[in-house]
Amino acid sequence: AQSVTQLGSHVSVSEGALVLLRCNYSSSVPPYLFWYVQYPNQGLQLLLKYTSAATLVKGINGFEAEFKKSETSFHLTKPSAHMSDAAEYFCAVRSSGGYQKVTFGIGTKLQVIP
Amino acid sequence: GAVVSQHPSWVICKSGTSVKIECRSLDFQATTMFWYRQFPKQSLMLMATSNEGSKATYEQGVEKDKFLINHASLTLSTLTVTSAHPEDSSFYICSAAGFSTTDTQYFGPGTRLTVL
Repeated sequence: AQSVTQLGSHVSVSEGALVLLRCNYSSSVPPYLFWYVQYPNQGLQLLLKYTSAATLVKGINGFEAEFKKSETSFHLTKPSAHMSDAAEYFCAVRSSGGYQKVTFGIGTKLQVIP
Repeated sequence: GAVVSQHPSWVICKSGTSVKIECRSLDFQATTMFWYRQFPKQSLMLMATSNEGSKATYEQGVEKDKFLINHASLTLSTLTVTSAHPEDSSFYICSAAGFSTTDTQYFGPGTRLTVL
């Protein structure tokens, strides 16, 4: 079984401030982990993914995430928030085995305050 | 690369009619496609998984006779909502994974279905 917990359904940051979106996972096998971003009325865009290579993963738009097995975490960060970062962010997990079922977290809505 | 399209992007239909939504992988061959449903302010719920040329695997609680999925080619999957009712109104999103993208699903832009 696998699951994802995203702490904080809403996060507000000031423009230029650090963005930190939290994600903890549970998986019975080594996981693959993903962060997706969704803008209003659009599908999901892949930000970054961890697939058992480097634990610090860099993605698009200046985002990065670090896989910490001891903490079962995969938090998403960005040093300086832009107004264009305002969106919904989903953390997701799937097993590294053959079956590709992905489990999504409930999402975190990021608000950027000018 | 790894672009997935959906058509239509939005559709309004009358109760009792059927609606077909297409999902296409534009620049890769999708061995597996997934259909999700997203309610307002909620996460994505997997409805079914389909492999090209095989019957779809539905998640528990999803009516296979109501949500017909066809994955006839490596670039096209369709979801047909049969005898639609207002409670079927939702945002439907497909994703695809292929030979060279087996560890990642790439998502379409979604289809907003409103049943009157």
